[in-house]
Amino acid sequence: QITLKESGPTLVKPKQTLTLTCSFSGFSLSASKVGVAWIRQPPGKALEWLALIYWDDDKRYSPSLKSRLTITKDTSKNQVVLRMTNMDPVDTGTYYCAHRQGVWERNDYIVYDFDYWGQGTLVTVSS
Amino acid sequence: DVVMTQTPLSLSVTPGQPASISCKSSQSLLHSDGKTYLSWYLQKPGQSPHLLIYEVSKRFSGVPDRFSGSGSGTDFTLKISRVEAEDVGVYYCMQHIELWTFGQGTKVEI
Repeated sequence: QITLKESGPTLVKPKQTLTLTCSFSGFSLSASKVGVAWIRQPPGKALEWLALIYWDDDKRYSPSLKSRLTITKDTSKNQVVLRMTNMDPVDTGTYYCAHRQGVWERNDYIVYDFDYWGQGTLVTVSS
Repeated sequence: DVVMTQTPLSLSVTPGQPASISCKSSQSLLHSDGKTYLSWYLQKPGQSPHLLIYEVSKRFSGVPDRFSGSGSGTDFTLKISRVEAEDVGVYYCMQHIELWTFGQGTKVEI
C-alpha cells in the first residue's frame, strides 16, 4: 500500500525559505521509473505542479519557479524534500506530494502520473 | 508552456443525468511514442485529488465505468454517464507531454 505524507512549517515569514518533507512508504525511490512530485494549491484555486524527482536523481522544475526551488531525495529514509526560497504571501496554499510510476503491463508501457497523493500540508506566508 | 483550458468552470448536475467537461490544450498532447498524455483527476471536497483517467481514456484502478474519457490532439472530454452524489467536487485535466500542467478545474455540484 502506497502512502505519502507531507510535513513542514505551517507559517513562514515573507522572504524566508520553506522546507517541506514528503515521507512515503509502500515503494522505493530507487526503483526504476519511479518519481515523486510536489504540487500546490492556493486557497480556492487550481492545482499547480512545482517539481519532480526521478529514481535516477533526474529533476524537473516548473519554469516559472525554477530559480526558487530545489528538490532532493533521501532514498534510505524514504523522503523527498522541497525547498522554496524567498517566500511571498502569494505562495500561501496547500502543498501536496504525489507518486509517479512507469510500469509494463501486458506488453504496454504505462506511465501513471500522480496515482497516489499525500493529504497535503497548509502553508501560510505572513509576517 | 502548454496551457490547459477547461470548460465550463462550474457545472450543476441532476443525479442520474449525464455530465460532460471539456479540456483543450495549447498544443498537441500526442507524443512520438504514439501515446497521448492527458489525465483527469477529481478532488472531492476537503480531500486530495485522485486519478480517474490516464492516457485520455483509460480508467485508473477502481474508477467506476460511468466515467469515460475521449479526445485526441488538443481536444478532450470527460463524461459521467449518470452522475451520483459522490461525484461532486472539482475535476482537473492535466497534460504531461511537456512537464506537467493542470487545467483551471471544473466544479461539479448537485
